[in-house]
Amino acid sequence: AQSVTQPDIHITVSEGASLELRCNYSYGATPYLFWYVQSPGQGLQLLLKYFSGDTLVQGIKGFEAEFKRSQSSFNLRKPSVHWSDAAEYFCASSGGYNKLIFGAGTRLAVHP
Amino acid sequence: GAGVSQTPSNKVTEKGKYVELRCDPISGHTALYWYRQSLGQGPEFLIYFQGTGAADDSGLPNDRFFAVRPEGSVSTLKIQRTERGDSAMYLCASSLRAGGITGELFFGEGSRLTVL
Repeated sequence: AQSVTQPDIHITVSEGASLELRCNYSYGATPYLFWYVQSPGQGLQLLLKYFSGDTLVQGIKGFEAEFKRSQSSFNLRKPSVHWSDAAEYFCASSGGYNKLIFGAGTRLAVHP
Repeated sequence: GAGVSQTPSNKVTEKGKYVELRCDPISGHTALYWYRQSLGQGPEFLIYFQGTGAADDSGLPNDRFFAVRPEGSVSTLKIQRTERGDSAMYLCASSLRAGGITGELFFGEGSRLTVL
C-alpha cells in the first residue's frame, strides 16, 4: 500500500538557520507529491507540489523541495528560517485518483 | 465564500450521541473531501464527493459514519452512536478540479470533536 513517512516528529532550529524536513514515499510509479503547512488555528495550506519535470520545485514563503527518485524522497528545504515558520509540516502523495495520503507530520519550533 | 468554512469549530458530546459536522466549500468547487486527523497524526482520508455523489467512501471507518452533499455544495458528515475513539479533528477540503489530485486542495480550519 502507498505510504508517506516523515522520520522526524519534532525539529528545532534557530531563526536564520537553514532547514530540511525529510519525507519518503512508497509507491510503484512516480507519485504526485505535496508539502502542506498547518499553523495553529488555520487550515492546511499548500506550500508546493511536484508532478513531473524539474525535480527541484519552488513554493511559497521561500520553501523549495527536491524530488529524488533513487531515494524515494521529497525533502523540504528553506535556506533561512523565520520565527513565523513555526508550524506543523505535512508531506503527502496522491494515493490514486482521488486521495491524498499524508505523513504523520513534523512539528517545527524556531528559537529566536 | 472566501474559504472553506466548517461548523462547529468545536463539538463536545457524550458517548452514544449523534453528531453532525458541516462543511461549506469554496463557491464553484465541485470536489469535496473529508479527512480525520487524530492527535499527533496526519490527516486520514474519509470520503470524496464529486458533485452530489460520493465518488470514493473507502476511508469511512464503519457504518456509523455517513456523509451527504445533496445539492453539490454544502456537505454534512454524520456520526451515529459516537465512541470515544471518534474524538479527532475533522477536516474538510474542496478543489476546483473535477477529480484527480492535480490541483490544490483548500482546507477548512476543521471541527474538533470530543466524545466524553
